[in-house]
Parts: sequence; C-alpha cells; structure tokens
Amino acid sequence: GAGVSQSPSNKVTEKGKDVELRCDPISGHTALYWYRQSLGQGLEFLIYFQGNSAPDKSGLPSDRFSAERTGGSVSTLTIQRTQQEDSAVYLCASSLVGAGRQETQYFGPGTRLLVL
Amino acid sequence: GQSLEQPSEVTAVEGAIVQINCTYQTSGFYGLSWYQQHDGGAPTFLSYNALDGLEETGRFSSFLSRSDSYGYLLLQELQMKDSASYFCAVRDRTGGFKTIFGAGTRLFVKA
Repeated sequence: GAGVSQSPSNKVTEKGKDVELRCDPISGHTALYWYRQSLGQGLEFLIYFQGNSAPDKSGLPSDRFSAERTGGSVSTLTIQRTQQEDSAVYLCASSLVGAGRQETQYFGPGTRLLVL
Repeated sequence: GQSLEQPSEVTAVEGAIVQINCTYQTSGFYGLSWYQQHDGGAPTFLSYNALDGLEETGRFSSFLSRSDSYGYLLLQELQMKDSASYFCAVRDRTGGFKTIFGAGTRLFVKA
C-alpha cells in the first residue's frame, strides 16, 4: 500500500559525473512518468512508460538523459556527464490506466540533484 | 504544441474565496487537471474536468469551459494550510499520456 518512492532523496555530484535516479511506482500502476522541476518553476515532462509500449521520450532534453523501466515496475533515470543546469528536483509519478484513471498521477517525493 | 497560462501569484485572506485561472492551447484535448504542491513536497492531485461545468470536492471546485479553452480552481473558506503552489495540467490527444503542466500559481493565505 506504499506510495511512489524515489531514491536517493538528495544527490550531490560533480560536473561530468553520471548519476542514476530510481523510482518505485505504486504496485499495479502501469504508467510511469518522469518530470524535472527547477526551483520555483513548473514541472517539465521528461518521459513516460505505459505497459509494454515504447516509451515517449519526447521530453528528454538531450542525449545525456536516458531512462528504462524493468519488468514493468522500477524505473531508472540516468544522466550522463552531468552539467550544472541539470540541477533540479526530479519527480516520478505513476498512475493506473483506462476509464480516466490516468488523469490522476501519484507523485513520489523527488530526488534533489545538485551538480557542482 | 501545448501551452498553459496561469497567474504566478495570488494572495488572499483566511476564510475568503480565491479563484485561480488557467487558459490552455492544445492540439486536441482530453481534460484539465489540477495539482497542489506545498513547499518541499510532492504534487498531489486535486481534480480533473473532462466536460464543461463545475466539479465540487469539499472546499475545492474546478470549472472547465472547453469552448473558451479555460478553466479555474476555486478554493473556498481558505485556510493557512492552503498556502501552496497550484498547477493546471493537460494531456494532449496527440501526446498519449504525455502531460504538460502550467508554471504554477503560488497562493499566499494571510491571517
């Protein structure tokens, strides 16, 4: 019955390093979304996964960003060669699908990434 | 493409009523959602409108006019705990489950 969980909660890294952010969605939720939120800003769509369909990667800002979802559950967002402008809160959400249920997304607490 | 516009800040007093507007442009439209986010917290779902009219959930109501590409969130009997950011969001028919959020409206509730 747990909600969406994300790890780590905070990550400080040096410019040029790679980072991996993890998301555990609510059990049974087939749709999973990644967003980025800079301080005081709105949510920027990055990518979503739905079941076995090809993910919609249209929001990934560059080829340094990639994500995968294994077994239809856990997802990992990877940022390679991090830059200072990557500093933000990375939010993961999940939802059920069908009959309008995808309109309700449940968000995790986010990972606060700081690139020095 | 898709875009949403909402005011950046709104201030109101405790016990009052406040309306947060959202106008949108999308190529195709499913409906309009609203989320609340407290400082340092995660967004939480408030409401969803797919059809024209007013949806009421306790102190919060949400309205949609598809013909005007416009909606609003109405908060009644404001409480200090309602101080937060409020985001409208749309899912575009051409975008699958891709959801676009507005920049958010920061609500300050004063005593």
